[in-house]
Amino acid sequence: DGGITQSPKYLFRKEGQNVTLSCEQNLNHDAMYWYRQDPGQGLRLIYYSQIVNDFQKGDIAEGYSVSREKKESFPLTVTSAQKNPTAFYLCASSLGAWEPQHFGDGTRLSIL
Amino acid sequence: ELKVEQNPLFLSMQEGKNYTIYCNYSTTSDRLYWYRQDPGKSLESLFVLLSNGAVKQEGRLMASLDTKARLSTLHITAAVHDLSATYFCAVERGGSEKLVFGKGTKLTVNP
Repeated sequence: DGGITQSPKYLFRKEGQNVTLSCEQNLNHDAMYWYRQDPGQGLRLIYYSQIVNDFQKGDIAEGYSVSREKKESFPLTVTSAQKNPTAFYLCASSLGAWEPQHFGDGTRLSIL
Repeated sequence: ELKVEQNPLFLSMQEGKNYTIYCNYSTTSDRLYWYRQDPGKSLESLFVLLSNGAVKQEGRLMASLDTKARLSTLHITAAVHDLSATYFCAVERGGSEKLVFGKGTKLTVNP
């Protein structure tokens, strides 16, 4: 079955530590996205990529970094510069314009 | 800057009743999406509305889009408990494929 796989499901970060969230898709979608969701809030865009080896900052990119070396993979690193990383992180992909974004099951990140 | 507002943010209704969720947005856009999220889960695409006057229906849910009024509605007919979830609308920013989400409407359907 085609879909988006995020791992791990739960992640704990220590102070000063960088952590990387994995996102893999086998839908052959060109565009991929990372969102952050805080309790009672909508989703906010962190980074997005419309093609391999290219990505753009979203609305809240500070303290995060990404790479897009392969079409199917779009990992997100939460750096120590992100002072409030506790949130639910969702990865999505889409075929392009006029198509809905398809979401993974999310990673819940907490601070130790 | 595109802003998306949903109301109500919380909705408690009885089974069998009808209700409408509203999604207003601040700048011109021709593409609007509705998603459903169950607690602790991911988002599931419900509807894609791509033009003025678009209407889509699936089961007890019907979505419409009025681009001139910058308004979309999600109408629930004869609600059942299984519809309990949080519903988000998302509006595309100026052909960019980037979405701006509303804060969501948490719907609880009581027996």
